Amino acid sequence: QLQLQESGPGLVKPSETLSLTCTVSGGSISGTTYYWGWIRQPPGKGLEWVGSIYHSGSTYYNASLKSRLSMSVDTSKNQFSLRLRSMTAADAAVYYCARQNWDSHSFDFWGQGTLVAVSS
Amino acid sequence: SYVLTQPPSVSVAPGQTARITCAGTNIGSKTVHWYQQKPGQAPVLVVYDDSDRPSGIPERLSASNSGNTATLTISRVEAGDEADYYCQVWDFTSDYVFGTGTKVTVL
Repeated sequence: QLQLQESGPGLVKPSETLSLTCTVSGGSISGTTYYWGWIRQPPGKGLEWVGSIYHSGSTYYNASLKSRLSMSVDTSKNQFSLRLRSMTAADAAVYYCARQNWDSHSFDFWGQGTLVAVSS
Repeated sequence: SYVLTQPPSVSVAPGQTARITCAGTNIGSKTVHWYQQKPGQAPVLVVYDDSDRPSGIPERLSASNSGNTATLTISRVEAGDEADYYCQVWDFTSDYVFGTGTKVTVL
């Protein structure tokens, strides 16, 4: 069974950079039908797509975050990562990684999520 | 940007039918997916490609999509169906868009 697990700091200072990693197990990140995405959810609010990456390194980002966001992939470790610069309180959220089915554009497997707070 | 609007809440008695709508301009021309999210848990895909269910999702959950509204229907509602539900589409101009979410309460 495919599993995804997010890892990273639970607390980031304002203006600093958030770095998160998603480790995929039970399947290869190099599958041709799948992208790998990040979705976030501020406390008590709805879901927001952050960005997605293919195993080749091809990326596309939410336009509202594009200037601060970068994503990378390490196929040897079956991992992909997110870096979000200049963090503010508005970026505080649960960050989920998920497998993205390229054919249907649905997110069919999700990690459990990691809560990121922004505070000095 | 493309917007998907859902009712904030739906209440339903056990055994009855819950219908959750997802409104968007000409959403019938897009492919809609639905997610169930229970408190403290990650979302789970319960319907994809407008009306298909992943393995393990009960037939009580069904969905349709036409015109400006997509609908998720939960038949014979059970206490375990209490959750937040989100619709989602891919839009050429907005990429991945989630609906505003609907909290289903089982009375």
